[in-house]
Amino acid sequence: AQRVTQPEKLLSVFKGAPVELKCNYSYSGSPELFWYVQYSRQRLQLLLRHISRESIKGFTADLNKGETSFHLKKPFAQEEDSAMYYCALQSFQKLVFGTGTRLLVSP
Amino acid sequence: DGGITQSPKYLFRKEGQNVTLSCEQNLNHDAMYWYRQDPGQGLRLIYYSQIVNDFQKGDIAEGYSVSREKKESFPLTVTSAQKNPTAFYLCASSTRTGGANYGYTFGSGTRLTVV
Repeated sequence: AQRVTQPEKLLSVFKGAPVELKCNYSYSGSPELFWYVQYSRQRLQLLLRHISRESIKGFTADLNKGETSFHLKKPFAQEEDSAMYYCALQSFQKLVFGTGTRLLVSP
Repeated sequence: DGGITQSPKYLFRKEGQNVTLSCEQNLNHDAMYWYRQDPGQGLRLIYYSQIVNDFQKGDIAEGYSVSREKKESFPLTVTSAQKNPTAFYLCASSTRTGGANYGYTFGSGTRLTVV
């Protein structure tokens, strides 16, 4: 079965520290993976797609098929990065979401 | 201004009542989705529709119904059969342009509370 696992419910770091939000998936085919972010009082929005290999707001994510992972990383966290982050897997015609990780960046 | 509009923002339902949540998009997207968001459980798919007049059950469809009579609209009815309807409901839409998947566009959500 297709599944996305985000093992951390909460990740708390200080401003300027590196951040890594973990995401593991199970999927039998070639995966399409995404990271979505939900800032306080804002809509859930797309942060980045693995297929585009882009860096958005300093975040990057590399697909590791051997480890079935798609961890989200940022070298220096900012307070405005505090939000709820969801990893998602495209499974046939729909997205399967993880349970989310709340990132809290303290000054 | 293109986007997805969900209404109402807050909705209160009495026990035994059916209520309908509205979702409208002007993005010309073919596919639309309804998710339920509960703390600690992420987003769970209720129903989705790839084209007009067609829709499929998601993982938690029991107690819900939908229709897709127009491309722009995908209303969700929460029936009295849904035993735990209090939640935050999110509507989304998507399209594939040239085969590329650009992800979903989400609405701002409807918070449903049973009173």
